[in-house]
Amino acid sequence: QSALTQPASVSGSPGQSITISCTGTSTDVGTYDLVSWYQQHPGKAPKFMIYEGSKRPSGVSNRFSGSKSGNTASLTISGLQAEDEADYYCCSYAGSSTWVFGGGTKLTVL
Amino acid sequence: QLQLQESGPGLVKPSETLSLTCTVSGASISSISYYWGWIRQPPGKGLEWIGTIYYTGSTYYNPSLKSRVTIYVDTSKNQFSLKLSSVTAADTAVYYCARHVSSSWYLGFDYWGQGTLVTVSS
Repeated sequence: QSALTQPASVSGSPGQSITISCTGTSTDVGTYDLVSWYQQHPGKAPKFMIYEGSKRPSGVSNRFSGSKSGNTASLTISGLQAEDEADYYCCSYAGSSTWVFGGGTKLTVL
Repeated sequence: QLQLQESGPGLVKPSETLSLTCTVSGASISSISYYWGWIRQPPGKGLEWIGTIYYTGSTYYNPSLKSRVTIYVDTSKNQFSLKLSSVTAADTAVYYCARHVSSSWYLGFDYWGQGTLVTVSS
């Protein structure tokens, strides 16, 4: 069970859109539509942002959206705001009652 | 409002056992809807799922940690706990307890504790 692969960092200007990728394998992301995404500000606990690849929990801005193609899931943030600057993590169900996280991506709002 | 709070020693010596407890408030840990998990984050690094427990005591562990991990539940205290044996400096991390999404535990973790830093050092 290896960690999902995410870019170490992405950046964008206010108002722009950015996309963060999360690459797994055919035993996790590729098989299950069970990717979740988390936002983590410094010193804080992760916040649940997306589940089942593209669904938003109540209270999460519709500027956040998710998708999946093959073994890669993606998180897109549109209309970038300063408050979106944070670390983002993907997570996938990996079968046999196990879960695997990505290494995390630092989003910088320029 | 559901709240989770981790507690336990912040410093553990190498080769000893790390022990943490998560106290749940605002929901019954015995609810058939909920699974409860432990996740950790080494300083400056990513998240790692450690394991999950159901109120019946059924447990599910990360294969890479399985030989050293025990998770158990105390329904009378509305708590669940983590024990990690034979710790090394690599186990230094912020440890979070979290709840799996109630509608389906496969969907991820929707409520998290604030986390507690455990340092392994002599």
